[in-house]
Amino acid sequence: GENVEQHPSTLSVQEGDSAVIKCTYSDSASNYFPWYKQELGKGPQLIIDIRSNVGEKKDQRIAVTLNKTAKHFSLHITETQPEDSAVYFCAASAYYGGSQGNLIFGKGTKLSVKP
Amino acid sequence: DAGVTQSPTHLIKTRGQQVTLRCSPKSGHDTVSWYQQALGQGPQFIFQYYEEEERQRGNFPDRFSGHQFPNYSSELNVNALLLGDSALYLCASSFGRTGGYTFGSGTRLTVV
Repeated sequence: GENVEQHPSTLSVQEGDSAVIKCTYSDSASNYFPWYKQELGKGPQLIIDIRSNVGEKKDQRIAVTLNKTAKHFSLHITETQPEDSAVYFCAASAYYGGSQGNLIFGKGTKLSVKP
Repeated sequence: DAGVTQSPTHLIKTRGQQVTLRCSPKSGHDTVSWYQQALGQGPQFIFQYYEEEERQRGNFPDRFSGHQFPNYSSELNVNALLLGDSALYLCASSFGRTGGYTFGSGTRLTVV
């Protein structure tokens, strides 16, 4: 079955610096790669996603890149702010029975942005 | 526009008991998935419901069962609770076949 590995498990950056989180997946059939931000006591919030027919996607300070050949995708956050501090999860999903199937999550990265 | 609503927010049960968790999907969404998130881990897929039927199931025992109602809301039932069932249970909704899952804030279940 699909396996998603995420690195690093913890990341500490200074406010204004960039943060990069990397994930690898094992199932070449995976075609949808979302990133979620989870704050304490809350559910995961979708921050950006990318499909396998696109190599890069950007939304203001957040960008995601996908390398299908190497089976890895990365989250880039520029100009980090203290409110970016949270746990970030990558996930991968393949089609199942003609529909987008379940999400397989990485173990998460705890990002701390120091003022 | 309400997002995904889950109830209750917290629950304490005793080993061997049964529990029912509830989820109302985001307006316009018709597909509901359930995930279990242990402390410090990523969510793990339990099952997904679409058109009131279980469409996909993860690697969870039969003690975990679910239901989807005609209004798209859903229930997760867990029988014969074990200490290891203590976790945050997340409901995620989506529309049709496209993915784009929106998560609720979860139900924190503690089994003692």
